[in-house]
Parts: sequence; C-alpha cells; structure tokens
Amino acid sequence: ETGVTQTPRHLVMGMTNKKSLKCEQHLGHNAMYWYKQSAKKPLELMFVYSLEERVENNSVPSRFSPECPNSSHLFLHLHTLQPEDSALYLCASSQDRQTGNTIYFGEGSWLTVV
Amino acid sequence: EDQVTQSPEALRLQEGESSSLNCSYTVSGLRGLFWYRQDPGKGPEFLFTLYSAGEEKEKERLKATLTKKESFLHITAPKPEDSATYLCAVDTGANSKLTFGKGITLSVRP
Repeated sequence: ETGVTQTPRHLVMGMTNKKSLKCEQHLGHNAMYWYKQSAKKPLELMFVYSLEERVENNSVPSRFSPECPNSSHLFLHLHTLQPEDSALYLCASSQDRQTGNTIYFGEGSWLTVV
Repeated sequence: EDQVTQSPEALRLQEGESSSLNCSYTVSGLRGLFWYRQDPGKGPEFLFTLYSAGEEKEKERLKATLTKKESFLHITAPKPEDSATYLCAVDTGANSKLTFGKGITLSVRP
C-alpha cells in the first residue's frame, strides 16, 4: 500500500460538471497539500492543510474547493472548471509544516476538462 | 522572489555514460533542497534532501551535492531504467512551501 493514495487516477469532466478528487495518506502525517502540475510548468502549490485547518490558499480560483475532514483525508471539489484547468493534480503530505520536512506525493489524478 | 532553474531541460545519454544534472537557486534563505524523480504519468518520488553546503548523499547510481548556489545530481553509469524527469525543489522556510524547478527529462538509451 502506497503512502499517499489518490482517486480517481483519471477524470474527464465537462465544464458544467461537479466532481471531487480524493486523497488518503497512510503515513501518520499532520500536513496535507494539493499541487497542480501543468505541462512545461513547475509544480504549483494550491492549498495547505495542517491538522485539518487550511493554512494557505495560494490564490486559487473559487471553482476549486478543498476539504480536509481529518488528518488522513483530503478532497478537492471541482465545479464549473475551464479547459485550462486540465492538468495533473497531486496530493502530498508531510509530518508537519516545519521547515525542511520531506513532502511525499501521491500518484496524481489526471484531469481533463472538455 | 525565490527562483529555481534546472538545466539542461532534456538530456539524452547512452547507457553507462555518466553525467550531471544541475539545479541552481536564488533564494532568501535555504532551509532544504529536495530532489525527486518523476516517471511519466506518476507522482514525484522522493530521492534526497540536502540541508547545507558541502553535504552529499548517495543512493545506488545517484549522488546529490550542494553548494551555496546550486545542487548537482550526478548519475554514474546510468541504465535505461533511470530514464525519468528529475525535479529539484527548495524550502525557504515559508511554511513548508516548496519552490520547484521545471525539471530535467533524462533519457538513457540501451
């Protein structure tokens, strides 16, 4: 069982749909993250949660809505997305938000908006 | 503004041909430098963390080094299975926010 599990691995949705990405970490970590990876661009941090509290929203449009019900689970709710939102969405976790802690990533969810 | 630049953008090697990947950074204060490997269609896999200039870490055919301005990932006698994109990221202490480079795509031919 991998440390950080993401579902679904692939998702195709229309611009008017509502869908959710799910992430679960089995590492006993207290911090969780959502990153976006687009072609030819560096990974972009979207949201940070620490002990289930959102501590950072990196200027992400409101059509992306995160939810962290407990320290092991993280969701990214998607609605009225645009084609430019098509990307690989990566969930990650770390022991906490202390400087220098290693961040571990899941396999990612490939999102295509049509 | 913190910046991370990786070079070259792509590298093609023959099996057994050793080389180095570069990650140069301009940051206000380095708290950690991370190397990840990413295979196509998968999430980044953690390789190394370096914290101070002069530090070195090794894992199989990979060796990471760090200076005050850059880090190198040395690949000794690479094999085709080393083909992947290698990502560099820096932690400047801003709430575990990593700044990533664009990555280096390594292709090793048999």
